[in-house]
Amino acid sequence: DAKTTQPNSMESNEEEPVHLPCNHSTISGTDYIHWYRQLPSQGPEYVIHGLTSNVNNRMASLAIAEDRKSSTLILHRATLRDAAVYYCILRDFDNNNDMRFGAGTRLTVKP
Amino acid sequence: GAVVSQHPSWVICKSGTSVKIECRSLDFQATTMFWYRQFPKQSLMLMATSNEGSKATYEQGVEKDKFLINHASLTLSTLTVTSAHPEDSSFYICSARDREKEDSPLHFGNGTRLTVT
Repeated sequence: DAKTTQPNSMESNEEEPVHLPCNHSTISGTDYIHWYRQLPSQGPEYVIHGLTSNVNNRMASLAIAEDRKSSTLILHRATLRDAAVYYCILRDFDNNNDMRFGAGTRLTVKP
Repeated sequence: GAVVSQHPSWVICKSGTSVKIECRSLDFQATTMFWYRQFPKQSLMLMATSNEGSKATYEQGVEKDKFLINHASLTLSTLTVTSAHPEDSSFYICSARDREKEDSPLHFGNGTRLTVT
């Protein structure tokens, strides 16, 4: 299985942008890059996903490197409600379609 | 948006009893559902893939006779923890993907906290 590497933790100030990096150097051509986040005692929540091009939605932006070996989740203005564990996951569209979680990045937002 | 409902949200049971957890996709159909387990301060661990109308696929190290999975319809999968023991106490989470949308993300339930006394 292709794996991802993320920093264990990051801190941000409220209302400032946050860039959460993810390395996936063994990504294959059919792997989609998915981001989820999890608040304490809740199931993960979908944030964004992409294949090759950068993506934007109401929650965040996803910047994907040209070689696809890394990506960055961008929260444009962090709020206290964005404090969560963020997971970067590869989904193999052609194979199995299951999603396996790494350790994720615990984001702390300071007021 | 797509919703996955998981029930119960928490349960306490005595050692040796069985507990059933339900996972429903409320506004979409799911050929496949996934069951995860999460221990405190750890990430989610995939336990098994539930396939509608056929047997579940279990991850290595997960006992299929202990964690019974039934996926009887396109909107319901159940996980039964049989003869539960304190070490089975954990946060169990299910997820599903809309079968009509190839590129759909996974939608997660809010989890079931199981405590075995």
